[in-house]
Amino acid sequence: DIVMTQSPLSLPVTPGEPASISCRSSQSLLHSNGYNYLEWYLQKPGQSPQVLIYLGSHRASGVPDRFTASGSGTDFTLEISRVEAEDVGIYYCMQALQTPPGFTFGQGTKLEIK
Amino acid sequence: EVRLVESGGDLIQPGGSLRLSCAASGFTVSSNYMSWVRQAPGKGLEWVAVINSRGTTYYADSVKGRFTISRDNSKNTLYLQMNRLRAEDTAVYYCARWYDFWGMDVWGKGTTVTVSS
Repeated sequence: DIVMTQSPLSLPVTPGEPASISCRSSQSLLHSNGYNYLEWYLQKPGQSPQVLIYLGSHRASGVPDRFTASGSGTDFTLEISRVEAEDVGIYYCMQALQTPPGFTFGQGTKLEIK
Repeated sequence: EVRLVESGGDLIQPGGSLRLSCAASGFTVSSNYMSWVRQAPGKGLEWVAVINSRGTTYYADSVKGRFTISRDNSKNTLYLQMNRLRAEDTAVYYCARWYDFWGMDVWGKGTTVTVSS
């Protein structure tokens, strides 16, 4: 099964500063169709998760352009160009390549405002 | 409006059974991949089960043989039958729609299952 590893697990950021989260998978997430089946989610405090990024680098509808995702194969990065207070929460990467056996989430990265 | 509403969560004794429901509106459950994802208290997200548009099902190892995902097309509702419940199944259970070109783009608010004597 694919294992997803995120770093860091805790990320204190000053508003207006950039932030970066890394996600590494134990196997390549590159599909034969050319897309990386890697997604990013944000769970704000007290809320259900929401999708930020699908297919490695595509922003979901309504996601601000300060969120950028990149990477291919086994190494992926989510970047926030200028962190705002509303960005606090836990960020998860998730692989969607192997079904079966199914989806796999990373451990989560907690972003907080300094 | 596209929406998912979970129900059925409860306090249940270890070894017991429970069925969760997830009522969909604004789209057709049977035409999509539908998943259950859970979150234990203070922990991260854990994928539990998925059913695809063909009705094929897959499960996390932690629930395989105990949980069953299914759907009722006439009610446009997704289910999770949970048997032989354990304390470690205590969590908020979310249902979500997944599509490779959208991700898990629709989530419910979750329903809480507590397994305790």
